[in-house]
Amino acid sequence: EDQVTQSPEALRLQEGESSSLNCSYTVSGLRGLFWYRQDPGKGPEFLFTLYSAGEEKEKERLKATLTKKESFLHITAPKPEDSATYLCAVQISGTYKYIFGTGTRLKVLA
Amino acid sequence: DVKVTQSSRYLVKRTGEKVFLECVQDMDHENMFWYRQDPGLGLRLIYFSYDVKMKEKGDIPEGYSVSREKKERFSLILESASTNQTSMYLCASRTTRTGQETQYFGPGTRLLVL
Repeated sequence: EDQVTQSPEALRLQEGESSSLNCSYTVSGLRGLFWYRQDPGKGPEFLFTLYSAGEEKEKERLKATLTKKESFLHITAPKPEDSATYLCAVQISGTYKYIFGTGTRLKVLA
Repeated sequence: DVKVTQSSRYLVKRTGEKVFLECVQDMDHENMFWYRQDPGLGLRLIYFSYDVKMKEKGDIPEGYSVSREKKERFSLILESASTNQTSMYLCASRTTRTGQETQYFGPGTRLLVL
């Protein structure tokens, strides 16, 4: 069964304390892996797309990496405005289907 | 920038009412999606439309129908709203061009059914 699991469920960091969020997946075939940021009461905002193992993408304090089994979202020196839920999704090869994880709720304390 | 808009941010309806949620995208995307998001369950696909007048059921289509008469517009219909349809509804769109499979989401509609 296709599955996407994110960990941890919740994470509290002090401002400036770097960390990583994990997205592990078990799917029949990977077309792409997507990271989104979601603020409370709003729709997911696109961050990154990764297509193949070894690929990395960066944006400001965020860096996403991909292996054959998992993806990491690294947050370097986070700020309070980075507080949000981060969602991971996988598109199954040859289909329109996207499997979403349940997200990691990140809180960055000043 | 991709723009996906949804007709309402918040809705309160009574059990048994017919409810219409509308989504519009301005990027000429072929594919559009309706999801619902519930705490601890993540996003679950209700319906998918791959082109005008074309649709496919997702994982949880029961109690819902959809309409896509124009490329930019995708409507979700709750035929007879029930309390278990209280949820956050998210619309998304994407192009079919290879290498551009990213879905872009609207702001969401929070629906409360009393």
